[in-house]
Amino acid sequence: KAGVTQTPRYLIKTRGQQVTLSCSPISGHRSVSWYQQTPGQGLQFLFEYFSETQRNKGNFPGRFSGRQFSNSRSEMNVSTLELGDSALYLCASSPEPSTSYEQYFGPGTRLTVT
Amino acid sequence: GESVGLHLPTLSVQEGDNSIINCAYSNSASDYFIWYKQESGKGPQFIIDIRSNMDKRQGQRVTVLLNKTVKHLSLQIAATQPGDSAVYFCAENLGDSWGKLQFGAGTQVVVTP
Repeated sequence: KAGVTQTPRYLIKTRGQQVTLSCSPISGHRSVSWYQQTPGQGLQFLFEYFSETQRNKGNFPGRFSGRQFSNSRSEMNVSTLELGDSALYLCASSPEPSTSYEQYFGPGTRLTVT
Repeated sequence: GESVGLHLPTLSVQEGDNSIINCAYSNSASDYFIWYKQESGKGPQFIIDIRSNMDKRQGQRVTVLLNKTVKHLSLQIAATQPGDSAVYFCAENLGDSWGKLQFGAGTQVVVTP
């Protein structure tokens, strides 16, 4: 079974631009979560989607948004990029319902804002 | 992923020795805990999990211990190998949402020959 895939793997953007990142979960997984990883803040929860509905959102400004499609693929968008948005953005999927809360992570998208 | 921050605690272990990685969690109501391993250039990889109604769980070469009294979690790796070199994170599910995990800061494990 293919793992979680994220595209693109690397991205360089300029401050003020916007960016869209894509995540394809493991086949059959309907829950998708996004995390931001930085050296200073570690791994921080961004949002969680299930069946095209946002179920939870972390403490990030409104510039960060996301959505999920009917095939469970998800995208996240960051508008008006700031230097501090430079990070590794990780997507994770889980086979809800499940006996555990285990999440399977993709390799991430490395975003650099200059 | 290049998750190593400048101030991550580092555990240096000699190959063949046992490793113990510690984690303090924040929420008494957390129901579920996971240990993840992250190697450079990759996303976190599941190692082992434990529910709050357990105090110990064993996997292949790994054991997780949970002490709810002091909100402490530990991961023991037996016979540490060079391939165990990575950053290790503990994560907790706060119970307010299925797909939301709160991660610890991480510990860099370096295995020396």
